[in-house]
Amino acid sequence: NAGVTQTPKFQVLKTGQSMTLQCAQDMNHEYMSWYRQDPGMGLRLIHYSVGAGITDQGEVPNGYNVSRSTTEDFPLRLLSAAPSQTSVYFCASSRYGTSGGYEQYFGPGTRLTVT
Amino acid sequence: GQQVMQIPQYQHVQEGEDFTTYCNSSTTLSNIQWYKQRPGGHPVFLIQLVKSGEVKKQKRLTFQFGEAKKNSSLHITATQTTDVGTYFCAEGSGNTPLVFGKGTRLSVIA
Repeated sequence: NAGVTQTPKFQVLKTGQSMTLQCAQDMNHEYMSWYRQDPGMGLRLIHYSVGAGITDQGEVPNGYNVSRSTTEDFPLRLLSAAPSQTSVYFCASSRYGTSGGYEQYFGPGTRLTVT
Repeated sequence: GQQVMQIPQYQHVQEGEDFTTYCNSSTTLSNIQWYKQRPGGHPVFLIQLVKSGEVKKQKRLTFQFGEAKKNSSLHITATQTTDVGTYFCAEGSGNTPLVFGKGTRLSVIA
């Protein structure tokens, strides 16, 4: 199993450009999520999904869109990049259910710089 | 939503010294997960605690969940340079998003 994969690893954008960060998992996990990590801020949840066709906002959703058309893929779209979106982005997946928390598997991250 | 506070934010220790990071909440936690992130890497799951007063060990790492389920700690005995990284606690239940603390960054001086 490849686990959680993310592409690209690095990206530089100009202000106003749009792009999609790709995330895929091959563990048949229902739950997928996107986090951004900034120095001193920990991991902040952007959007998450509990299954195909279902998405919801996290703590910092503004400027980002997501969709979940398949169990495996959960792309994150930046609509109009801003310097404040310079960050490291992590995708994660896990099992989902009501009986307890589950281990999150993280991808290697995408390091995004917006100039 | 649920918030977990981690202290300290940074810790510098000499190799061989012990290290402890604490995770606190004002409300009762469903469970606590701990993750480690090496510099330049991604968070990796270490353990989950569910029961009040639970203590689990992984080699030199000891994890505790408070009796009131409002706090947790991670203790590393005799730190090594391989322990360098940021340690995060996170609280989550089955059907709500995981909430992470801001992490404790550990530096180990050889």
